[in-house]
Amino acid sequence: RKEVEQDPGPFNVPEGATVAFNCTYSNSASQSFFWYRQDCRKEPKLLMSVYSSGNEDGRFTAQLNRASQYISLLIRDSKLSDSATYLCVVNPPGSYKLIFGSGTRLLVRP
Amino acid sequence: GAGVSQSPSNKVTEKGKDVELRCDPISGHTALYWYRQSLGQGLEFLIYFQGNSAPDKSGLPSDRFSAERTGGSVSTLTIQRTQQEDSAVYLCASSLLGQGDSPLHFGNGTRLTVT
Repeated sequence: RKEVEQDPGPFNVPEGATVAFNCTYSNSASQSFFWYRQDCRKEPKLLMSVYSSGNEDGRFTAQLNRASQYISLLIRDSKLSDSATYLCVVNPPGSYKLIFGSGTRLLVRP
Repeated sequence: GAGVSQSPSNKVTEKGKDVELRCDPISGHTALYWYRQSLGQGLEFLIYFQGNSAPDKSGLPSDRFSAERTGGSVSTLTIQRTQQEDSAVYLCASSLLGQGDSPLHFGNGTRLTVT
């Protein structure tokens, strides 16, 4: 089983739609979680950290479910500029490295 | 402010040659990471530095790969006797503390093509 798994998509949604991605992780003791965004042929950039209590940043909401070992990202009122690949990132216990999922591709159409 | 800088941005080399990739992290960031990303794939962890030492080299694919960091700043990733399967984008990232809870700041990457 991969350490971090994501549905590769693509998710093809109209502008204004709400879309949600899930990501599962294998190590239940993992401590830190992030969502990164990667545009085509660009480097990944931090979108948001994921806190145990859940957190929101504008149209974006991230949640952590430790019992089921998944994190989610909800995007409301999708914009064309949201089209990108969204990477789930997990820090396994006892390690300083961050493990990246393969990414979920989002396409927002006019 | 200056971000993470990588050079060269593109490198084409013949199979069997050695290549050196350079990363200049954000000033003051103690942690430095190397990842690589093959076309259409996710990021593969290679090595992590805390200061000048590399406590985690677990991701280096073979002994043809090595990396060093000097002065707690610039890092070089060296690939000896390159193979076609080494073709990928090599991404360097730095973080303030490197304790796994600090976000990574990535450079633009070096696109390596082995012919």
